[in-house]
Amino acid sequence: KNQVEQSPQSLIILEGKNCTLQCNYTVSPFSNLRWYKQDTGRGPVSLTIMTFSENTKSNGRYTATLDADTKQSSLHITASQLSDSASYICVVSDRGSTLGRLYFGRGTQLTVWP
Amino acid sequence: EADIYQTPRYLVIGTGKKITLECSQTMGHDKMYWYQQDPGMELHLIHYSYGVNSTEKGDLSSESTVSRIRTEHFPLTLESARPSHTSQYLCASSDAGWMTNTGELFFGEGSRLTVL
Repeated sequence: KNQVEQSPQSLIILEGKNCTLQCNYTVSPFSNLRWYKQDTGRGPVSLTIMTFSENTKSNGRYTATLDADTKQSSLHITASQLSDSASYICVVSDRGSTLGRLYFGRGTQLTVWP
Repeated sequence: EADIYQTPRYLVIGTGKKITLECSQTMGHDKMYWYQQDPGMELHLIHYSYGVNSTEKGDLSSESTVSRIRTEHFPLTLESARPSHTSQYLCASSDAGWMTNTGELFFGEGSRLTVL
């Protein structure tokens, strides 16, 4: 069964600190993996997209890694800011159907305290 | 910033009412989608469209219906709302198929529906 599991479910850190969010997936055949940021009450916004051949991609203070062999990804946030408080969603796409289905994780709820 | 708009942002209605959630995008994207999201849960695809006059049901069964008469417009309708329809509804569009590496999925701000 194709699944995307994220951990931790929630995380609280102090402003200025770093953190790493995890994503494990069983989706096969794999096409790409995306990380989205979703502010409370808003729609998700894309942070990174990685294909099978990419093992790291950065977007400002956000750095995503991908290990396609172990089917794991992480999102590292550097020097956190209050505006980083949001849900971070891992999304994996397969290439086994014409639809190119997306599998969503439940997200990690990050809270940054001053 | 994505040019995809949803209205209303918030809606509280009584059981049995008919509602339409509007979604419009100005990016000229052929592919549009509706997702349903409950608190702390993953997004579930309920409808999608490949283009004008194309509509398909998604993975999650839904009593809602959609139409795609114009490229930019993809409204969702509930003929008779029930409390079980209370949820967040997110509209999205893409400039390519999900399978392509460069395809991006742009989301609207969402419509929060509460049925009393």
